[in-house]
Amino acid sequence: ILNVEQSPQSLHVQEGDSTNFTCSFPSSNFYALHWYRWETAKSPEALFVMTLNGDEKKKGRISATLNTKEGYSYLYIKGSQPEDSATYLCALHPNTGNQFYFGTGTSLTVIP
Amino acid sequence: DGGITQSPKYLFRKEGQNVTLSCEQNLNHDAMYWYRQDPGQGLRLIYYSQIVNDFQKGDIAEGYSVSREKKESFPLTVTSAQKNPTAFYLCASSIDSMGPQHFGDGTRLSIL
Repeated sequence: ILNVEQSPQSLHVQEGDSTNFTCSFPSSNFYALHWYRWETAKSPEALFVMTLNGDEKKKGRISATLNTKEGYSYLYIKGSQPEDSATYLCALHPNTGNQFYFGTGTSLTVIP
Repeated sequence: DGGITQSPKYLFRKEGQNVTLSCEQNLNHDAMYWYRQDPGQGLRLIYYSQIVNDFQKGDIAEGYSVSREKKESFPLTVTSAQKNPTAFYLCASSIDSMGPQHFGDGTRLSIL
């Protein structure tokens, strides 16, 4: 079982603030990393699939970076809005086998 | 609309009873997954299937069984051997074993 850690566990920000959180994973086991957003009462939704060291992906106000050598990925949200409130999950696909290992998530609350 | 349908939304199990959770997708995806979520923990993989008539155990397969007789369907049976079945169960599918996963709305299983 591979350990994927996310920090912080929860975060409260004011509307308009920018924020970021971290996903850490064992660098020696890296093959791909996925980010998901999970809103309350909905199902998780894929945000990004990241495979290359130095990758930077963007979707609207949300972006993600990847450092496979040191084993982390950052998710950034610029100008947070209340609709960004959700739990953000990362999932590691290791270089052996075909299963994903999920972190416990970062719960973001954006206060209007 | 294409998507994944899980049923039922809530399920109650009596001691010694087997129960089956349904998962159907109409996305024409090859890969399907079953995850379990417990409070304070990330999603943990129970079983996954990359192709019809083939499936592999995840990290917590004990006490569970699956079948993949059709591409669209991946039912999960929680057997009486699973001593702590109370959890939230999520089904997912992806176009292949590397692609982003699409999730159902989940089934919450409780013990009577």
